[in-house]
Amino acid sequence: GAVVSQHPSRVICKSGTSVKIECRSLDFQATTMFWYRQFPKQSLMLMATSNEGSKATYEQGVEKDKFLINHASLTLSTLTVTSAHPEDSSFYICSALGDPTRLTDTQYFGPGTRLTVL
Amino acid sequence: AQSVTQLGSHVSVSEGALVLLRCNYSSSVPPYLFWYVQYPNQGLQLLLKYTTGATLVKGINGFEAEFKKSETSFHLTKPSAHMSDAAEYFCAVRGGADGLTFGKGTHLIIQP
Repeated sequence: GAVVSQHPSRVICKSGTSVKIECRSLDFQATTMFWYRQFPKQSLMLMATSNEGSKATYEQGVEKDKFLINHASLTLSTLTVTSAHPEDSSFYICSALGDPTRLTDTQYFGPGTRLTVL
Repeated sequence: AQSVTQLGSHVSVSEGALVLLRCNYSSSVPPYLFWYVQYPNQGLQLLLKYTTGATLVKGINGFEAEFKKSETSFHLTKPSAHMSDAAEYFCAVRGGADGLTFGKGTHLIIQP
């Protein structure tokens, strides 16, 4: 099956700094990528939808200025957590979709990035 | 809008027993339904999905699920539990060209 990677797998940063997380589709072109957030022992919450070459669409309640998303190529999307604070500590997971018009397409998930803000 | 309800945050079964994880959904459009499994410290892995056609869907690792429109359900079953099945299971729905809406997850515990 399709492989999606994320880098880094874990990151610890100081409060007030920015952190960039990369999501790559390794063996297919992803026109659409999604970013999710998972709190401990809870479900995944969709944060935003990222389409190659266009602005991301954010879910209600997600601060677009805090969580900057860039989908510059068909294989790479990045999530930058700006001015991170301890409450931003979470598990961030991306997924990639080859063709969003094919509603039967499967989303392939990355392994996730554990962010800890001190 | 879509939503997913998974009944039971924890389910415990004996090894060799039937596994039944419940999922009910609501969707304003014909739904596409998914079950994912997450092992500790790993990413999500697709178990199976329902899109159209046959309502009984077979997935990996011996799991299957049946889409019942009248009951708005998509319960996951496996005839005989194995220790390696212990994990977190998520039911999800997709109602359009959107991201997935996940249930809260069910932690499956297998008793020896």
